[in-house]
Amino acid sequence: AQKVTQAQTEISVVEKEDVTLDCVYETRDTTYYLFWYKQPPSGELVFLIRRNSFDEQNEISGRYSWNFQKSTSSFNFTITASQVVDSAVYFCALKKIGTASKLTFGTGTRLQVTL
Amino acid sequence: EAGVTQFPSHSVIEKGQTVTLRCDPISGHDNLYWYRRVMGKEIKFLLHFVKESKQDESGMPNNRFLAERTGGTYSTLKVQPAELEDSGVYFCASSQLSGAGELFFGEGSRLTVL
Repeated sequence: AQKVTQAQTEISVVEKEDVTLDCVYETRDTTYYLFWYKQPPSGELVFLIRRNSFDEQNEISGRYSWNFQKSTSSFNFTITASQVVDSAVYFCALKKIGTASKLTFGTGTRLQVTL
Repeated sequence: EAGVTQFPSHSVIEKGQTVTLRCDPISGHDNLYWYRRVMGKEIKFLLHFVKESKQDESGMPNNRFLAERTGGTYSTLKVQPAELEDSGVYFCASSQLSGAGELFFGEGSRLTVL
C-alpha cells in the first residue's frame, strides 16, 4: 500500500522568509513518481513538479526547490523568499511508474504568507 | 487549449437528494479520474476511466455513487441519495493515454449536503 504524509497542517510565514514543506512517503513499488501540486484559493490543482525514483538530483525552478532523499523517503519542497501569492494548499503525491495508475495524495499543507 | 472543466462549481443539497457532477476532460485525453477531498483530509481516488471503460473503481465509497463516461468524452458522477458525509470537493483530472505523468486537474465541484 502507498501512503503520503504531510505532517505540517498549516504554516504561516512573513513575506521574504524561506519555508520548507515536508513530505514523507511509503511505497513497496521500486519505481515511482513523486509530485507536488498547488491549490490556490481559486480551487484548481496546479502541477508543480514530477520526479521519478531513479533520479535523486535536487531541482530548482526559480524560487522553488525540491529535495528528494530516497534514503529517508522524503521529497521536501522549499520556497525561497516567499511571496503573498504563494499562499495556497500544497499537496505531495505518489504514483507507480509504468501505468496510468492513481495518485496517492497527502493531506496537504496550508501555507499562509503575510506582509 | 481548454483545461479540465467541472460543473457545477458548488452545489448545496439536502440529505436524500440527488446531485450530478460533470467533468469535461482535456480534448484527446483518454484517461479520466475522479478524486474527492473531504474537509481537512487527503485527496482520495474514486475511480479511473480509460475512454468509456472503468479501469479502476476501487475508491468508490458505496453504491450511492455512479460514474459514467458515455462515448469516452465527458463524465458524470451521480450521488443518489446524498448523505452528510458526501460533502467535500470532487476533483476531476485527465491525462493522455500513456498516463505516465502529469494529471491535469479541474477546479473541483464543491458539494455541501445539509
